[in-house]
Amino acid sequence: GQNIDQPTEMTATEGAIVQINCTYQTSGFNGLFWYQQHAGEAPTFLSYNVLDGLEEKGRFSSFLSRSKGYSYLLLKELQMKDSASYLCAVLGSNYQLIWGAGTKLIIKP
Amino acid sequence: TAGITQAPTSQILAAGRSMTLRCTQDMRHNAMYWYRQDLGLGLRLIHYSNTAGTTGKGEVPDGYSVSRANTDDFPLTLASAVPSQTSVYFCASSDGAGEAGELFFGEGSRLTVL
Repeated sequence: GQNIDQPTEMTATEGAIVQINCTYQTSGFNGLFWYQQHAGEAPTFLSYNVLDGLEEKGRFSSFLSRSKGYSYLLLKELQMKDSASYLCAVLGSNYQLIWGAGTKLIIKP
Repeated sequence: TAGITQAPTSQILAAGRSMTLRCTQDMRHNAMYWYRQDLGLGLRLIHYSNTAGTTGKGEVPDGYSVSRANTDDFPLTLASAVPSQTSVYFCASSDGAGEAGELFFGEGSRLTVL
């Protein structure tokens, strides 16, 4: 079967760095997305990786290793507004997305 | 810019009743989608439309129907609601066909079926 695994919840301190992991087992791979979703709001796009390596975008970076079926989202200089759920989604062989359940990130002062 | 507008924001519905969730976009995107989001589960695709006039079934289509008469509107209808359809429903769109591009989501419609 197809599976996306993310930690359910993580806690970090304001100003610190946090890494949110995502492992996947899918039939085919055409890219991996990260979305941010604040409580009660719509998901918003953060990043897309299709090749191995690190993509940096401001305080957020996303890493992909296709051979390991692994990605992580790295958030630096954490701010209170980063408290949200982070959704990992893989584009499978039929070009449909398989979504993880999301990681709820709690930022403490 | 409005982006994607969903209505209603929330609704309580008696089991067996019908309900249409409305979705309108102003970005002229070709593709539109309906997802449901349930606690502890990832987003699940209900139905999609790659272009006006065409629709397709997603992962969990049973009990739902859609239409795509024009580019902007993509309503989702529950013909006879059941409690298991209690969920938060998100409409989304993307430029181009398929889910390969960035998705733009509406704010969601919270539906409770009693």
